[in-house]
Amino acid sequence: GAVVSQHPSWVICKSGTSVKIECRSLDFQATTMFWYRQFPKQSLMLMATSNEGSKATYEQGVEKDKFLINHASLTLSTLTVTSAHPEDSSFYICSARSATGGANEKLFFGSGTQLSVL
Amino acid sequence: DQQVKQNSPSLSVQEGRISILNCDYTNSMFDYFLWYKKYPAEGPTFLISISSIKDKNEDGRFTVFLNKSAKHLSLHIVPSQPGDSAVYFCAASARRGAQKLVFGQGTRLTINP
Repeated sequence: GAVVSQHPSWVICKSGTSVKIECRSLDFQATTMFWYRQFPKQSLMLMATSNEGSKATYEQGVEKDKFLINHASLTLSTLTVTSAHPEDSSFYICSARSATGGANEKLFFGSGTQLSVL
Repeated sequence: DQQVKQNSPSLSVQEGRISILNCDYTNSMFDYFLWYKKYPAEGPTFLISISSIKDKNEDGRFTVFLNKSAKHLSLHIVPSQPGDSAVYFCAASARRGAQKLVFGQGTRLTINP
């Protein structure tokens, strides 16, 4: 199957700093990428949908000024958690949809990033 | 509001037996359902899906059953193998190509030798 690379896999940062997470599709072009967040014992929750070359669409309750998403190319999307606080500590995971596939079976996930804010 | 629920956080099954993972949903607009499997330190990978026009879909050892009236789906794995030990997520969408997937919390399946 297609490969989505997500980095870093874990990060610890101080409160007030910003953290950037990268999501790359390695062997396919991804017109659409999705960012999810998972708190312990809860489900993966969609945060935002990003389409290459346009602004991301954020889900209700997700602060777009805090979670900056950039999808500048067909193979790279980044999520920046700005001024991180302990309550932002969570597991963040991206997924990418192949440009040639419209179904969710063609949705490929990164391995996730565990963010811990001290 | 948890629209997709997996009420069993964990399940332990003996190798060779049947594993049954359950998932309930509340939104009647959902009409396409998927199961994903996740190993530690890896992202979820697609396993099997079912459309609401069917009540069963089979792929090798994996079968998904859908009961629309009960808003319930289940994943059957038979026979269970040690490599099936993973976290399984069910997900739902309003249509097959819909952008938004709503996930359950996941069930950790452990297959015991």
